[in-house]
Amino acid sequence: DAKTTQPDSMESTEGETVHLPCSHATISGNEYIYWYRQVPLQGPEYVTHGLQQNTTNSMAFLAIASDRKSSTLILPHVSLRDAAVYHCILRVAHNNNAPRFGAGTKLSVKP
Amino acid sequence: ETAVFQTPNYHVTQVGNEVSFNCKQTLGHDTMYWYKQDSKKLLKIMFSYNNKQLIVNETVPRRFSPQSSDKAHLNLRIKSVEPEDSAVYLCASSPHWGGRAEQFFGPGTRLTVL
Repeated sequence: DAKTTQPDSMESTEGETVHLPCSHATISGNEYIYWYRQVPLQGPEYVTHGLQQNTTNSMAFLAIASDRKSSTLILPHVSLRDAAVYHCILRVAHNNNAPRFGAGTKLSVKP
Repeated sequence: ETAVFQTPNYHVTQVGNEVSFNCKQTLGHDTMYWYKQDSKKLLKIMFSYNNKQLIVNETVPRRFSPQSSDKAHLNLRIKSVEPEDSAVYLCASSPHWGGRAEQFFGPGTRLTVL
């Protein structure tokens, strides 16, 4: 699976809309973009995923660049509960390798 | 309740002891995983099982051995712990094997080796 690059940390304030970037310049055509988040003392939690089209669910909006070399996880109106480490990973649909996580982006949310 | 359960939550032991961690998923999934999360918060895959069969065995020391009695259970045994084994061990499951399968994680077992 190709590698992703994310900022180490980002800060925000409650109520703001947060854009978390992820760069995956060497992504191949059959790789899906997955986002997980992890809060202290818990395992990672699935947020969303996409292949080419933007996707949205109750947690977030995933915007994927037209060339697929980058993506942005958009969190509308963040609350203190959204403070977490957000991981962007790539996975091939029929790959035999288990998902591999990097360090992710630590999102801080101020009241 | 359907989820991934891990026991114990915490474990403190001394170098050379044997430890065992349990993981059970009630999601009806076919695939289970063990990850190690170090002090820098990086998650490293250790083992993957699909329908009780070992699929992935990363380069981990021989003292680590997974044990699966059925597809809902995947335990981890460490024969003789070393200080560098101090970490959080995360168990996960997914509906099936393959890149599109979303993973569900347990809360982790925090191991401290004195």
